[in-house]
Amino acid sequence: GAVVSQHPSWVICKSGTSVKIECRSLDFQATTMFWYRQFPKQSLMLMATSNEGSKATYEQGVEKDKFLINHASLTLSTLTVTSAHPEDSSFYICSATYWGDTEAFFGQGTRLTVV
Amino acid sequence: GQQLNQSPQSMFIQEGEDVSMNCTSSSIFNTWLWYKQDPGEGPVLLIALYKAGELTSNGRLTAQFGITRKDSFLNISASIPSDVGIYFCAGQPGSNTGKLIFGQGTTLQVKP
Repeated sequence: GAVVSQHPSWVICKSGTSVKIECRSLDFQATTMFWYRQFPKQSLMLMATSNEGSKATYEQGVEKDKFLINHASLTLSTLTVTSAHPEDSSFYICSATYWGDTEAFFGQGTRLTVV
Repeated sequence: GQQLNQSPQSMFIQEGEDVSMNCTSSSIFNTWLWYKQDPGEGPVLLIALYKAGELTSNGRLTAQFGITRKDSFLNISASIPSDVGIYFCAGQPGSNTGKLIFGQGTTLQVKP
């Protein structure tokens, strides 16, 4: 299957700082990438859908000014958590798909801890 | 919004036993998928179902796409210790999008 890589795998940051998480499709061109958040012992919740070259579409309740998403190329999408607070601590997972295919491939996730 | 109800929430079984879990929805999905997630990792696709009524197997795993397109089940036969993990169902509301709605997950523990 196709490979999606996230970086970093984990990050600890101070409250008030910003953190950038990268999601890369390594062997295919991802026309669409998705960002999910998963709190401990809970399911994956879709945050936003990102299409290459256009603005991301955010799910209801997700602050677009706090979670900045950029999808500048067909192999890279970034999620920036701005002015992070402890309640933003979570497991962030991306997935990617390419046009015409219904299957989405997931990254390994990024554990964010805000202290 | 659309939601998936997955059950059971957790299972603790003996090695060798069969396992069954299911998902239901109040709305129709075009695709049903089943994932397994290990701690600290992203979900890994186990089985994908694309047609109502479809029954698909992947080794010891069998899954079916309900005829009403509102439910799906996953069976694991002859469980082994490495089956331990969290299993998620996911539904795709549209076509050719990759956008997924996830169930709450079923935590499986297998006693050797």
